[in-house]
Amino acid sequence: DAGITQSPRHKVTETGTPVTLRCHQTENHRYMYWYRQDPGHGLRLIHYSYGVKDTDKGEVSDGYSVSRSKTEDFLLTLESATSSQTSVYFCAISHSTGEAFFGQGTRLTVV
Amino acid sequence: AQTVTQSQPEMSVQEAETVTLSCTYDTSESNYYLFWYKQPPSRQMILVIRQEAYKQQNATENRFSVNFQKAAKSFSLKISDSQLGDTAMYFCAFRDDKIIFGKGTRLHILP
Repeated sequence: DAGITQSPRHKVTETGTPVTLRCHQTENHRYMYWYRQDPGHGLRLIHYSYGVKDTDKGEVSDGYSVSRSKTEDFLLTLESATSSQTSVYFCAISHSTGEAFFGQGTRLTVV
Repeated sequence: AQTVTQSQPEMSVQEAETVTLSCTYDTSESNYYLFWYKQPPSRQMILVIRQEAYKQQNATENRFSVNFQKAAKSFSLKISDSQLGDTAMYFCAFRDDKIIFGKGTRLHILP
């Protein structure tokens, strides 16, 4: 995961505020993903991207939006954070085939 | 929609024993990839093994091997000579375009 950086690594925010998480890669991988990890649910796909400005929804996309204006950056935005969005968020990258490589995760707490 | 099911939320085995983790998936695709990831307490996601659906031969990586049954849509992971360092969450994952994960199996290796 040396080529993937998530920022911030930890964040506490208040209910109703907008929050943006950033994923940056230096590997030039085509695919980028955002997942959330919660106890008992494993990793659930929020949104993913298969190219610049090409994105699609995952299993749990409500309340989240994404943007990818450059190959290396994939932003996840919570328009108005809620307590149910308290979670650990993982970014991942991959080529068109094969496995994903993960970032270190971002712990987000909404109070 | 593709789904991945891991039916064992938690397992415990003695050190040096062999353990098998189960995974089933549902898809109408014929070409896809399957993976097992390990997540130790550090939260880092580590690829354990991968399997391409077009390959009939089961993948093997040192002490880790899979039993891939394409017709049954089953993809189990066998860990031989288990070690204390194998203690972790294990996730099964499926990929055609996006990558979908199961809910995970928490594995405890007992001394």
